[in-house]
Amino acid sequence: DAGVIQSPRHEVTEMGQEVTLRCKPISGHDYLFWYRQTMMRGLELLIYFNNNVPIDDSGMPEDRFSAKMPNASFSTLKIQPSEPRDSAVYFCASIRGTLLWNEQFFGPGTRLTVL
Amino acid sequence: SQQGEEDPQALSIQEGENATMNCSYKTSINNLQWYRQNSGRGLVHLILIRSNEREKHSGRLRVTLDTSKKSSSLLITASRAADTASYFCATVPSYNFNKFYFGSGTKLNVKP
Repeated sequence: DAGVIQSPRHEVTEMGQEVTLRCKPISGHDYLFWYRQTMMRGLELLIYFNNNVPIDDSGMPEDRFSAKMPNASFSTLKIQPSEPRDSAVYFCASIRGTLLWNEQFFGPGTRLTVL
Repeated sequence: SQQGEEDPQALSIQEGENATMNCSYKTSINNLQWYRQNSGRGLVHLILIRSNEREKHSGRLRVTLDTSKKSSSLLITASRAADTASYFCATVPSYNFNKFYFGSGTKLNVKP
């Protein structure tokens, strides 16, 4: 299996632009997570899905952030409009089976820079 | 907040030495997991320990869990330069099976 795939790997954009990050979880996995990692705040859980349904989006910072999972093999995280403070590495992760007892498999991340 | 705190924040040792990292958390848990993150990469799962377990081994890794102290430790024996990475603990609290909290991480540097 190719593992969790994220694209793009790097994104540089200007403030105010729309940014879309993409994730393909491992086939057969039931959960998908979006995280943001910065030096200041560490690793933050933004939102996660179970069987394509959003379960907990309490970590989404504000209305500028939205996430979708139209099918089991694809998810997007969108920031509109983007701001410099959104600069971070965004990770996608997936789990097979129950959230409680199974490991998360992380993608390589997307490094976002908002100028 | 349930978020775990790792201690120390940074650790530098010589190859061959043992490395010990600690994780403390605030509320009771179902399980605790340790992950490794190499620079510029995603996290990789190392080991999971359940709340009713006290110790677990995997290769050169030894994890202990003390639920009375709400703490866990990760021991890497006979460290190698390739162990250089950040190490995170993650907890699933017993009050909410749908939550997953990562700590702030320990940055380990193993000098060859």
